[in-house]
Amino acid sequence: EAGVAQSPRYKIIEKRQSVAFWCNPISGHATLYWYQQILGQGPKLLIQFQNNGVVDDSQLPKDRFSAERLKGVDSTLKIQPAKLEDSAVYLCASSLGTGGYEQYFGPGTRLTVT
Amino acid sequence: GQQVMQIPQYQHVQEGEDFTTYCNSSTTLSNIQWYKQRPGGHPVFLIQLVKSGEVKKQKRLTFQFGEAKKNSSLHITATQTTDVGTYFCAGLRGSNYKLTFGKGTLLTVNP
Repeated sequence: EAGVAQSPRYKIIEKRQSVAFWCNPISGHATLYWYQQILGQGPKLLIQFQNNGVVDDSQLPKDRFSAERLKGVDSTLKIQPAKLEDSAVYLCASSLGTGGYEQYFGPGTRLTVT
Repeated sequence: GQQVMQIPQYQHVQEGEDFTTYCNSSTTLSNIQWYKQRPGGHPVFLIQLVKSGEVKKQKRLTFQFGEAKKNSSLHITATQTTDVGTYFCAGLRGSNYKLTFGKGTLLTVNP
């Protein structure tokens, strides 16, 4: 079974530039998550989708971050404009459903904002 | 909001020694999950605990969920170098389907 795919793996941009990350979850997984992991900390949920609907985006900085999962399969996360404090690893995860299912994480995208 | 705290932040042990990490939530949890993240890797699911007082074992790893469902622990017996990594607990609260991760405990093992 293929795992969660993410691209790119690494990205370096200057502040105020924009960047987009892509995630393809495990086939059949209804729930998709985007997490931000700052060095030395645990993953912080940015947004959670159930199929193509948003379940939770309470911690998504909506003035600069946006995400979509239009067809209920793959997803993109965008940052525009980027700030220095956005430097982190962005992890995508998927699970069969919400609430108490094992989450499968992708390899992540390491973003450096200079 | 819900907070999940883990201690210690770091633990260095000699190979063969035991290791324990503790997780405490500010609110009662419905479930708690544990993940392991190897250096440079991504979190990998280890186990989920659901019942009050539940104890589960995976080879040398023992997981416990507190009676009040507000705390949990992970104990590793006789650590090996393959146990190196950061162990995260993550709590799920009732109708709120958001998983809240602790900051993790980084375990290093000296061979």
